[in-house]
Amino acid sequence: GAGVSQSPSNKVTEKGKDVELRCDPISGHTALYWYRQSLGQGLEFLIYFQGNSAPDKSGLPSDRFSAERTGGSVSTLTIQRTQQEDSAVYLCASSLVAGGGNTIYFGEGSWLTVV
Amino acid sequence: QKEVEQNSGPLSVPEGAIASLNCTYSDRVSQSFFWYRQYSGKSPELIMSIYSNGDKEDGRFTAQLNKASQYVSLLIRDSQPSDSATYLCAVTGGADGLTFGKGTHLIIQP
Repeated sequence: GAGVSQSPSNKVTEKGKDVELRCDPISGHTALYWYRQSLGQGLEFLIYFQGNSAPDKSGLPSDRFSAERTGGSVSTLTIQRTQQEDSAVYLCASSLVAGGGNTIYFGEGSWLTVV
Repeated sequence: QKEVEQNSGPLSVPEGAIASLNCTYSDRVSQSFFWYRQYSGKSPELIMSIYSNGDKEDGRFTAQLNKASQYVSLLIRDSQPSDSATYLCAVTGGADGLTFGKGTHLIIQP
């Protein structure tokens, strides 16, 4: 597609429920990144994929968070048993390949509110 | 662990003046440097990238890089109210994604 596409754009969920956030990167981009940004805070790196593999999962906040990418394209970030502190905007980004000087382009984000 | 430091602000600049935003980074092997602008409630958008020491100009924006001092800055000339936003400095040098600073909140006063 023309840009990074994320869905849903907004999600309100009850504490304890699971949520899935989807990201469709720019066509041809092999690297995909997930960031989290809490209200008024900076960007927190969660995980990145080069192709379908995720070399570094250490940024995931807890074992309730998981991410996968299949077919080298769409990625899903899953949060199990959501907590109120999970409320944030989850930003997906993509680049041609990971690392180096490759520019990262962001989607519009998925705004998650846990009530 | 890579660190990117920015003054959170707010930095208040009169309309028409030059806004100067600064950023320092900890990882000496960092090779690529980016400035993103983020309006409230929106996702970051790329303004400038810089890879070598010196200045790089693009319209009203100038990025400056000094690798010896581990310092990168962004100058905005003829500041406009529409420049009011949070400016994020980002650095990369390895195989993973960008490391972002927490951003500087810039306010251009009409």
